[in-house]
Amino acid sequence: DQQVKQNSPSLSVQEGRISILNCDYTNSMFDYFLWYKKYPAEGPTFLISISSIKDKNEDGRFTVFLNKSAKHLSLHIVPSQPGDSAVYFCAASGLNTGTASKLTFGTGTRLQVTL
Amino acid sequence: DGGITQSPKYLFRKEGQNVTLSCEQNLNHDAMYWYRQDPGQGLRLIYYSQIVNDFQKGDIAEGYSVSREKKESFPLTVTSAQKNPTAFYLCASSPGTVHNSPLHFGNGTRLTVT
Repeated sequence: DQQVKQNSPSLSVQEGRISILNCDYTNSMFDYFLWYKKYPAEGPTFLISISSIKDKNEDGRFTVFLNKSAKHLSLHIVPSQPGDSAVYFCAASGLNTGTASKLTFGTGTRLQVTL
Repeated sequence: DGGITQSPKYLFRKEGQNVTLSCEQNLNHDAMYWYRQDPGQGLRLIYYSQIVNDFQKGDIAEGYSVSREKKESFPLTVTSAQKNPTAFYLCASSPGTVHNSPLHFGNGTRLTVT
């Protein structure tokens, strides 16, 4: 049972444009969400997070939006740069689910930023 | 520099052999984790440890074993009972619950079993 879903395996965006990566979750006990970026043969690196008490968090070119009622979050990258080309994982955790120390990951979306 | 070291980067074993993957951190983090990544799948949690001498099974613990004798080290043994051991293995650490700080990952070990 995939509790965190990233339905788009890949996305191609032109340099300078906006990249929008989507993530859906099914477990209503999740209350903290993170995005990780991963290059081939490397470990994921933390990008940005959001708590369920917020609906938006911004850090430079990266903004994460959370829609709790829809159980949906999205990562916006503006403007997209070639160095953003990587696999992006959405992850979730919940304080009250006994999973405070565990992250549940989505399957990832491969972003390619073209020139 | 502080970080997580996984060694070796590539590991090859014959079927039926146990193999141990190393993970060392010098971040002084209490919690450590092992994840597995397969093509087209997300990262799946194998085992995690919140303090020394204690660890819990994750979602896919069968065929694996761990130990946490020191705060800095969390080795993972892939036993011959693991049906599909070929994968990319990632070790991570965090100071406490992920709500306080996100996981820091090592660069992984790619294990190939033939």
